[in-house]
Amino acid sequence: AQSVTQLGSHVSVSEGALVLLRCNYSSSVPPYLFWYVQYPNQGLQLLLKYTSAATLVKGINGFEAEFKKSETSFHLTKPSAHMSDAAEYFCAVLNAGNMLTFGGGTRLMVKP
Amino acid sequence: EAQVTQNPRYLITVTGKKLTVTCSQNMNHEYMSWYRQDPGLGLRQIYYSMNVEVTDKGDVPEGYKVSRKEKRNFPLILESPSPNQTSLYFCASSPHGQDTQYFGPGTRLTVL
Repeated sequence: AQSVTQLGSHVSVSEGALVLLRCNYSSSVPPYLFWYVQYPNQGLQLLLKYTSAATLVKGINGFEAEFKKSETSFHLTKPSAHMSDAAEYFCAVLNAGNMLTFGGGTRLMVKP
Repeated sequence: EAQVTQNPRYLITVTGKKLTVTCSQNMNHEYMSWYRQDPGLGLRQIYYSMNVEVTDKGDVPEGYKVSRKEKRNFPLILESPSPNQTSLYFCASSPHGQDTQYFGPGTRLTVL
């Protein structure tokens, strides 16, 4: 089964700075990829998903991710961090049998 | 309002005492799934169901049972809970397997 690896369990940025959260997947076959966000004491909410239609995917709240087959990466970015972006972010890949496999998560902290 | 609901939201129990966590969705989704979330491990899939009366094991099914007698409900059963099942549990649903999954608010379970 395909897996995903998120580099950095904690990332800290200043308000207004670029946000970059890293995700690498294990398969050479372009998979279905997702980014979810989890705010404190809440369930997961979909930020964006890649389904091979376009390599640059735009999501909610100003986030976007670029699928790079040569690097097997699907990093999440936002040009300017806001305090409300503080949350935990999960990258996930859809495996055969419709199983969703998640990375370990990255907790984003935004400093004023 | 379209949603996935879980009950209870919080539960403290003792080793060996059977319990059921309910999950219900009102979106007529075919696919439903259970995950557990543990620090540093992200979310791991326990069981999933492609449709009524169709269930299958995920990555960590040991110690859990599920049933799907109705389309809207997908209860998670712990016949004899143990302390290593202390975790945060999420139910999710999607229209079909290869589609965005919508998550419930979570159930925090503590087994003493």
